[in-house]
Parts: sequence; structure tokens; C-alpha cells
Amino acid sequence: GQQVMQIPQYQHVQEGEDFTTYCNSSTTLSNIQWYKQRPGGHPVFLIQLVKSGEVKKQKRLTFQFGEAKKNSSLHITATQTTDVGTYFCAGPTGGSYIPTFGRGTSLIVHP
Amino acid sequence: EAQVTQNPRYLITVTGKKLTVTCSQNMNHEYMSWYRQDPGLGLRQIYYSMNVEVTDKGDVPEGYKVSRKEKRNFPLILESPSPNQTSLYFCASSFLAGPYEQYFGPGTRLTVT
Repeated sequence: GQQVMQIPQYQHVQEGEDFTTYCNSSTTLSNIQWYKQRPGGHPVFLIQLVKSGEVKKQKRLTFQFGEAKKNSSLHITATQTTDVGTYFCAGPTGGSYIPTFGRGTSLIVHP
Repeated sequence: EAQVTQNPRYLITVTGKKLTVTCSQNMNHEYMSWYRQDPGLGLRQIYYSMNVEVTDKGDVPEGYKVSRKEKRNFPLILESPSPNQTSLYFCASSFLAGPYEQYFGPGTRLTVT
């Protein structure tokens, strides 16, 4: 079964508000990836984090990897309607290479 | 252009009629994988392949078969489709030794009546 938990499942925000999604694993991850899936589209890779405590930014998006490498977060500052979609985290669990995807967080932005 | 292609994009079929969904990548990736996506359940892995002639079960393999005879192709076979296999299917590929970014195909929406 899935060992990567992602919360919340849905998040409604007003345009301009911030948004955060959290990813938690029961085991240490060698790396974690984040993907975005627009409505009607396919998942598209956003970023990969590898180091403990790593923080990376892409414009309004901030990605963090926990010190214990068991959790991660994606924070969007001042959401826009173009941010609408489902955000997935994925990481190899159980010591294998095979990435396990979280169930995703669907972001709905109200104009 | 680097891409993963899937065919068909949409398919409506009847219970028990064998079907194949093709997947092809042009990036020389070793790793290929099939996922199904259902509302509220995220992406669940069906089968994956580390290289030619090397395949293994994912989390939900029942009712599916795969083969990897060539590096670029990884078809998904439903020998006897059932209505509970109605879903959105994605093929994905990546390098095995990193970077681990997965490239996804556009998806195949399958309806089994």
C-alpha cells in the first residue's frame, strides 16, 4: 500500500492567498519529487529535493525537505488561477528505487 | 522533442474484449511504469520495468499484463477487461541512475461497459 501520505486532499483558496501541501513518509526517503497535474492533463515534474533540510524556490513556489528526510512541503505564495491543479509528491520508499506517489492535493483558486 | 506517447487516448470497450494500450518513449530511459488514476486515490502503480525483459508488479497488478521487448516500448495489456478497470491510465519513464524525473504520457481514458 501507499506509504507516502499527503494532506490536505483538497484546498480552496481565494486568489492571492497562500497555499501549502504536506507530504509525510513512514520511512526515510533518499529523495522526493513534486509534480503538478493541471485539470485534464498529465503530471509534470516540478522539482526534486535530495538533501536533508533542503529548501528550493521556483518563483512563488517554495519546496522543503525535512531534516529527517521523512517529510516535505510545497508552499505557494499569493496563489493565482494558473496554480489550479493537483500537486503530487513522490519518493522511493522501503529502500527501493521505485517512487511511491502521494494521493495528491487538489488546489482550487477562486478569483 | 523528448516525449512519451500513448495510444489510444480514449477507448470505450466491452467486458471481456482484450485490449492493448501502447506506450513509447524516445529518451532512452531504462525505467518505465504504468499508473492508473482514480478520483481520490491518486496515482497507483500497476507494473514497472527496469529494463528490457525486466518487469515487476506494482501496487495494483491484478487483471493487467505488460511486456518489455524493446527499450522504448512498454505496452499494457488487459486480457479480459472488467468495469472496475475503467480509469485514466498513464505511462511514465525515467532514467534509472538519475535524474529521477519521470516523464508522463498524455493519458488513456478507458471505459469498460
